[in-house]
Amino acid sequence: ETGVTQTPRHLVMGMTNKKSLKCEQHLGHNAMYWYKQSAKKPLELMFVYNFKEQTENNSVPSRFSPECPNSSHLFLHLHTLQPEDSALYLCASSHQGQGDGYTFGSGTRLTVV
Amino acid sequence: GENVEQHPSTLSVQEGDSAVIKCTYSDSASNYFPWYKQELGKGPQLIIDIRSNVGEKKDQRIAVTLNKTAKHFSLHITETQPEDSAVYFCAASTGTASKLTFGTGTRLQVTL
Repeated sequence: ETGVTQTPRHLVMGMTNKKSLKCEQHLGHNAMYWYKQSAKKPLELMFVYNFKEQTENNSVPSRFSPECPNSSHLFLHLHTLQPEDSALYLCASSHQGQGDGYTFGSGTRLTVV
Repeated sequence: GENVEQHPSTLSVQEGDSAVIKCTYSDSASNYFPWYKQELGKGPQLIIDIRSNVGEKKDQRIAVTLNKTAKHFSLHITETQPEDSAVYFCAASTGTASKLTFGTGTRLQVTL
């Protein structure tokens, strides 16, 4: 366990469904991130939150909607996804301002059918 | 913005041999360079990092070297073991911003 917990580990959803991914960190970090990892592609940064405020949206389609109610929790709300959205979604956290690396969760393996 | 290139994309070595993975970065202001290991079904985990004020750092069988002039850094794994088989990512960041730019990953296979 890395200190960053993601649920669920696996998710299969239809294109018309609405689901949410959850991330929780117990490391006292103040920045949280969503990454998308597809097969044979580099890690794609989706969103960055610092102190609960969204500081970066990497041109992510609106069918992905993040929410950060506090510095310890991060959600990714999903609706009307496409099959090409199937991927491993990784959450990470860090201590902004210290210039240290990220701690990643184990990811949610999402399959859109 | 920062651009990080990583080579090779795949690497196969025999158990006991050494493995070297290389990365180059574009932003001369980058000063923090972590390496991550991602095993099957898991998220990436930090295995070693180096800051721009040192040229080399070692932790048991793994070491990282940094050449600021050439803007490249490398991961060295000696006496490889089957459990070293994984995907390795390099990354770079600038100052205290903490935002990491990742390389494309290297799949390392250690064969018996």
